[in-house]
Amino acid sequence: GDSVTQMEGPVTLSEEAFLTINCTYTATGYPSLFWYVQYPGEGLQLLLKATKADDKGSNKGFEATYRKETTSFHLEKGSVQVSDSAVYFCALRPSGGSNYKLTFGKGTLLTVNP
Amino acid sequence: GAVVSQHPSRVICKSGTSVKIECRSLDFQATTMFWYRQFPKQSLMLMATSNEGSKATYEQGVEKDKFLINHASLTLSTLTVASAHPEDSSFYICSARLEPATKDGYTFGSGTRLTVV
Repeated sequence: GDSVTQMEGPVTLSEEAFLTINCTYTATGYPSLFWYVQYPGEGLQLLLKATKADDKGSNKGFEATYRKETTSFHLEKGSVQVSDSAVYFCALRPSGGSNYKLTFGKGTLLTVNP
Repeated sequence: GAVVSQHPSRVICKSGTSVKIECRSLDFQATTMFWYRQFPKQSLMLMATSNEGSKATYEQGVEKDKFLINHASLTLSTLTVASAHPEDSSFYICSARLEPATKDGYTFGSGTRLTVV
């Protein structure tokens, strides 16, 4: 079945540091890939997405590129801020058919210190 | 943008009582809703998928008699935790699939923190 593996945290960085959170997936065909962010005590917010190979999703300084050859969708940001502290989830949605279920990775807690 | 309003945000109840959690789509019609459970420091576990006007489809291992889902209208889905016990304490999140597929795909409620004492 489909699965998503993302790097285990927690990740602790200083403000303005470079961030990478690795995400790889297993799925047939060409799934859609997502990064969601969850702030403490809240639900999930879509951060960015990509629907086909070589697409780059970007939002609020975050970027991720859909790499079919390595089945990866790593999240990056060049300069993190304290306000980026949250849990980040990588997720996929299968391609085709009527299966709309999202499969999530386990989440990575990011803490950014001033 | 499409918003799902989830209430209550926090609830504390006594063991043996039932708790209802509501999710309302405010500016769109939600044909399909998903209900998740999140344990501390863990990922989201899909509990069930509900389609308006039909019975919910539960994931393996989820007790349908314990977690009652109703999706009677295109703007409201409810999750009732029946005869709650301390082990049901968790963070519950609903999500609606946006149709037709938009750049966002899904929108999530803000979650409900259930504590059973």
